[in-house]
Amino acid sequence: SQTIHQWPATLVQPVGSPLSLECTVEGTSNPNLYWYRQAAGRGLQLLFYSVGIGQISSEVPQNLSASRPQDRQFILSSKKLLLSDSGFYLCAWSVVAGSTDTQYFGPGTRLTVL
Amino acid sequence: AQKVTQAQTEISVVEKEDVTLDCVYETRDTTYYLFWYKQPPSGELVFLIRRNSFDEQNEISGRYSWNFQKSTSSFNFTITASQVVDSAVYFCALSEARAGGSYIPTFGRGTSLIVHP
Repeated sequence: SQTIHQWPATLVQPVGSPLSLECTVEGTSNPNLYWYRQAAGRGLQLLFYSVGIGQISSEVPQNLSASRPQDRQFILSSKKLLLSDSGFYLCAWSVVAGSTDTQYFGPGTRLTVL
Repeated sequence: AQKVTQAQTEISVVEKEDVTLDCVYETRDTTYYLFWYKQPPSGELVFLIRRNSFDEQNEISGRYSWNFQKSTSSFNFTITASQVVDSAVYFCALSEARAGGSYIPTFGRGTSLIVHP
């Protein structure tokens, strides 16, 4: 069965510090991978998605970046965090089967920028 | 452009009551997929159901049931005999095929369900 891991689970960082959040998927090959942010108010904002190694699509311009160095690894980074980067970050994976696709989410990382 | 509206921001019920969470969507595609996810206090979104646009049959899974009506562009979710463990935020989502074979869902803003003992 497939599993998705995210770490760290929680993180408190000062403004201006760098960020690296990691997401890995097990039990599947060539998944589509996604980074979402959920700020207060519950809405899910898609940040990045990737359909393959080295292929990253950005949905929202910001000071965050994403990379996919391996098939099942997706990393969210920032060189300098802003207060507005605080939130709950969720990684998700999916595999397109025929004309269907379902996203499965990881446990999330709660980031607080002070 | 696709859009998902969950008009109910928060619903509060007492245990054993039935509760329906509304979801209304907009899309120009004839082929699309609808989803419901549950987000308990722990934060992880849990997939509940996927329905494609060609299958309007209602579905029941234990205490959960879903009513898909294309005529009203709605995909409502009913919990029968609610329990405290049902307390969570529930998201409805819609996806269409995009260029490159990816399916990027549009999520509603969620409905917070609080079930009191």
